[in-house]
Amino acid sequence: RKEVEQDPGPFNVPEGATVAFNCTYSNSASQSFFWYRQDCRKEPKLLMSVYSSGNEDGRFTAQLNRASQYISLLIRDSKLSDSATYLCVVSLSSGYALNFGKGTSLLVTP
Amino acid sequence: DAGVIQSPRHEVTEMGQEVTLRCKPISGHNSLFWYRQTMMRGLELLIYFNNNVPIDDSGMPEDRFSAKMPNASFSTLKIQPSEPRDSAVYFCASSFAQANYEQYFGPGTRLTVT
Repeated sequence: RKEVEQDPGPFNVPEGATVAFNCTYSNSASQSFFWYRQDCRKEPKLLMSVYSSGNEDGRFTAQLNRASQYISLLIRDSKLSDSATYLCVVSLSSGYALNFGKGTSLLVTP
Repeated sequence: DAGVIQSPRHEVTEMGQEVTLRCKPISGHNSLFWYRQTMMRGLELLIYFNNNVPIDDSGMPEDRFSAKMPNASFSTLKIQPSEPRDSAVYFCASSFAQANYEQYFGPGTRLTVT
C-alpha cells in the first residue's frame, strides 16, 4: 500500500466552481503535510503547507484530519490557470524526506 | 537567481548504455534530492544528500543506479547499464536541510531507453 493515496481524477470543473481534493496517508507518525502543484510537463512546486488548525491562502484552503489521516485542499472560484496536477505530500517531520502522492489532475474549463 | 539546473533535458539512449544525469543545486542549499517520475508509480525519491553526504538511498532501484555529490554545487545520477524500464523523468531538487518541505525542483531530464 502506498503511503500517500490520492484520487487521480481528472476533475473537470467550470471556471468559478469550487473543487475539493482529498488525500489519505498511512503512517500515523507523520507530522508535516503539504500540497505541491505540478503543471503539465513541468516540475513540482510548493503550493502550501497544511497546519493542524487548517489554513487559507487566498482561494486555497487546506485542512488536516489527524484522526482519520486525511488532508484536503479546497479551491474556490476556480481559474483556468488552476489547471494542473495537485500532489499531496507527507513527511515524518521537517528535515525528513517527503512522500509524494501520485497527484490529482484538475482541468478548469471556460 | 538561477534555480536548480539539470542536464541534459532530454536523453535517448539504447539499452545497455551508460547514462549520466547532472544537477547543480541552488547556491546555499545543503540538501539535494533525486526523484524519478512515471505515470505508473508517480514521483519516487531515489536518494538524498545532506551536506554532500548520502543520507537515504533506500529508493535506489538496484545496483545499476549510483549517485554522487562530490561538492556542494554538483551531483550526478548514473545508470549503468540502462534498461527500457528506466525510462522516466528524473528530477533533482534542493532545499535548506532545516526546511526540507520546501524543495525547489529542476526542470527534469526526460530519459528514454530503447
